[in-house]
Amino acid sequence: EAGVAQSPRYKIIEKRQSVAFWCNPISGHATLYWYQQILGQGPKLLIQFQNNGVVDDSQLPKDRFSAERLKGVDSTLKIQPAKLEDSAVYLCASSLVVRPSYEQYFGPGTRLTVT
Amino acid sequence: AQTVTQSQPEMSVQEAETVTLSCTYDTSENNYYLFWYKQPPSRQMILVIRQEAYKQQNATENRFSVNFQKAAKSFSLKISDSQLGDTAMYFCAFMKQGGNQFYFGTGTSLTVIP
Repeated sequence: EAGVAQSPRYKIIEKRQSVAFWCNPISGHATLYWYQQILGQGPKLLIQFQNNGVVDDSQLPKDRFSAERLKGVDSTLKIQPAKLEDSAVYLCASSLVVRPSYEQYFGPGTRLTVT
Repeated sequence: AQTVTQSQPEMSVQEAETVTLSCTYDTSENNYYLFWYKQPPSRQMILVIRQEAYKQQNATENRFSVNFQKAAKSFSLKISDSQLGDTAMYFCAFMKQGGNQFYFGTGTSLTVIP
């Protein structure tokens, strides 16, 4: 079975620019997660989708971050405008169901560097 | 709030030897899950082992086993017969029962030396 796909794998932008990341979850997985992993830290949940709808976005900095999951499959995460502190790896994960949420499969991540 | 602490930023082990990675956590929950995830240099997180808090028996998965001490809020990972492919960052994580969010520690970078 194909895993979670993410693109691009690497991105370098200047501060105040915009950037978007794409995620394609495992086929049939209704739940999708975006995590931010800052160097030296563990991943932190940004947003969780169940099909098209948002389940939890309490830790998403909504003034600059946005995410959507049209048609309940692929998802994009956008940052506009980017700040230096947004430099991190952005991980996408998916799971078959909402509960239990621990059966999550992670993608390879997108490494963002903001200069 | 839940916190997970990994006090060993880096560790190394000789190939074929045994190594133990430490993890402590803090929670007021009684029902929860604990995990060890492996993140190789390619950065894809892989679940190594899971422990349900209500189970007294320690989880094992082939060469990987845990020492779960609920009262002490300790959850260590033992890797036996270490292999070069075990070189990775290891994250300890917590999720409360019915929750949707992992709480990860800061990770331990393990290097297996040939």
